Order: sequence, then C-alpha cells, then structure tokens
Amino acid sequence: GENVEQHPSTLSVQEGDSAVIKCTYSDSASNYFPWYKQELGKGPQLIIDIRSNVGEKKDQRIAVTLNKTAKHFSLHITETQPEDSAVYFCAASQVGDNAGGTSYGKLTFGQGTILTVHP
Amino acid sequence: GAVVSQHPSWVICKSGTSVKIECRSLDFQATTMFWYRQFPKQSLMLMATSNEGSKATYEQGVEKDKFLINHASLTLSTLTVTSAHPEDSSFYICSARALTSAVNEQFFGPGTRLTVL
Repeated sequence: GENVEQHPSTLSVQEGDSAVIKCTYSDSASNYFPWYKQELGKGPQLIIDIRSNVGEKKDQRIAVTLNKTAKHFSLHITETQPEDSAVYFCAASQVGDNAGGTSYGKLTFGQGTILTVHP
Repeated sequence: GAVVSQHPSWVICKSGTSVKIECRSLDFQATTMFWYRQFPKQSLMLMATSNEGSKATYEQGVEKDKFLINHASLTLSTLTVTSAHPEDSSFYICSARALTSAVNEQFFGPGTRLTVL
C-alpha cells in the first residue's frame, strides 16, 4: 500500500517568514495530493491540492510543488501569519479513470507538521 | 457549501457500553464516506470506507464487529463503537466525497471526541 512520509514534525518560524513542509510517497500510482490544515479539536480543512499532471499550483500565499520522478511534494507558505499556526497534513491518493478497486479514493496521510508562527 | 457535520461533538461513556456517532453531509450528496481515528498528536488513520447501500470496507486491523458502520442514505453514515473500552478513546472524524466529485475532494467533519471511562 501507499506510505507517506512528512517532514519536519515541528516547524517554528517568525511572522512574515516562509515555511516549507515536505512529503514523499511510495506508490507511483498515486496521482492526487491534497494538503490539510487542522486546528486543535477540529477536523482537517483542505487548503490546496495538486494532481500529478501539473508540477506546481499556487493560491495566494500557499503553493504546492510536485516532483513525480522523485515522488515528493512540498507545501510552501509565504508571509506567514500567527493564524497559520496549526497542524498540517499531506496526503496521497489515486483518482480518475485509471484508478479502481479498493484503493480508489483512499487518502493516506503523512504524520503531520506542527507549525508555529511567532508574532 | 460542502459542509459535513458530526454528532455528537464529544461523548463520555462507561466501559462496555455502545456509542453511535453520526456523520451528515448537509448540502450535498455523498456516495462515499470515510471514517478515521486520530489519537493525540498523531495522524489520521483510515478505519473504513462506507458506500451508500452497501457494506463498508474495513482497513486491516479494524474489527468490523466492533466498529459498526451504516450508510443508509446519501447524506448520512453512522459509526457505532460497540462494547467500548478505554483504549477506544480517540478523536473520530468522518469525511464525505461528493456524488459529482470528479477528483477526490473529501470534506471532513469537525470530529467526535470519545472518552471511555
């Protein structure tokens, strides 16, 4: 099955700095990579995702890059703010016409990164 | 749009009792719902995949007779923890995938904190 490794486990930055979180995956069939933000006591919220047919996607201060050959993808947050402090999870999944069977749609999560942005 | 609710948000029960957790998609229809368990300071672990009108598919190591899942409609799935024990104490989170989702975007509920005494 799929295995997702996420680093670092904790990340502390000053407000205004950039933060980068990296993930690697094992299954070359995975083609959908979402990132989630989880605040204490709440469910995860999707913040950005990328499919394997693109190498980069950006949404305001958040960007995700994907290297299919190396099987790794990264989350980049620029101009960090205290409200960005949370736990961030990467995930990998198989979607689309070529995906099927019991693995379809299942998200495999990384271990999580606790991001702390200091004012 | 795309709101998923869970009820209750927290529950405390005695060892040996059963607890039912509801997961509802409020403004969309979900063919598939997923149930996750999250222990403190750990990641989300998928327990089972629930498809409307059919039996749930459980992940390896998850006891299907202990964690009963029912997905009776396109907007409701329930997880019943039977004969709960303290080791079942955890944060249970559901997610729902929209019927029309061309990708795999899953919308997560706010979670249910279960404490078994």
